[in-house]
Amino acid sequence: DGGITQSPKYLFRKEGQNVTLSCEQNLNHDAMYWYRQDPGQGLRLIYYSQIVNDFQKGDIAEGYSVSREKKESFPLTVTSAQKNPTAFYLCASSIRDSVSRGYGYTFGSGTRLTVV
Amino acid sequence: DAKTTQPTSMDCAEGRAANLPCNHSTISGNEYVYWYRQIHSQGPQYIIHGLKNNETNEMASLIITEDRKSSTLILPHATLRDTAVYYCIVRVVSNFGNEKLTFGTGTRLTIIP
Repeated sequence: DGGITQSPKYLFRKEGQNVTLSCEQNLNHDAMYWYRQDPGQGLRLIYYSQIVNDFQKGDIAEGYSVSREKKESFPLTVTSAQKNPTAFYLCASSIRDSVSRGYGYTFGSGTRLTVV
Repeated sequence: DAKTTQPTSMDCAEGRAANLPCNHSTISGNEYVYWYRQIHSQGPQYIIHGLKNNETNEMASLIITEDRKSSTLILPHATLRDTAVYYCIVRVVSNFGNEKLTFGTGTRLTIIP
């Protein structure tokens, strides 16, 4: 079955350490996205990529970095520069220009990051 | 930057129809309206989308007003499993011409037994 996989589901890190969250999809989607969600809040866009080797900053990119070396993978690194990294992180994918063409996003099940 | 307005919360009795409103008064003529829902601590799930006409699928119906400035998501026979946060979203285009979905805070729907 095709889908989008985020791992791990729960992640704990010490303050000041960088941490990388994995996102893999086998849907042959061109576009991938990272969102952050804080308790009781909506989703905020961190980074997105419409094609391999290209990505754009979202609304809250500071303290995060991404890479898109392969179509299937879009890892997110939470750096020590991110002041409040504890949150629920969601990865999504879609065909390119999906929104204007009437196609939705497919979301992963999320990674809950806790920094202590 | 959310372009939609939704009530913060709603309750609905189990078995009744749940009607979730959304205002999108600045929507452009070629922009779709999307609805997603998120059950606690899971990724959002796509429900339905529409452009001008009303739409129906196995999960819900979407009613879009003629001027397209508002819409209503209808869950015809709500069950306890429909308790979730429901997001109404329209497309946003970045300065680079890339499109993206911007999620607001949504409506927290609680189904009452």
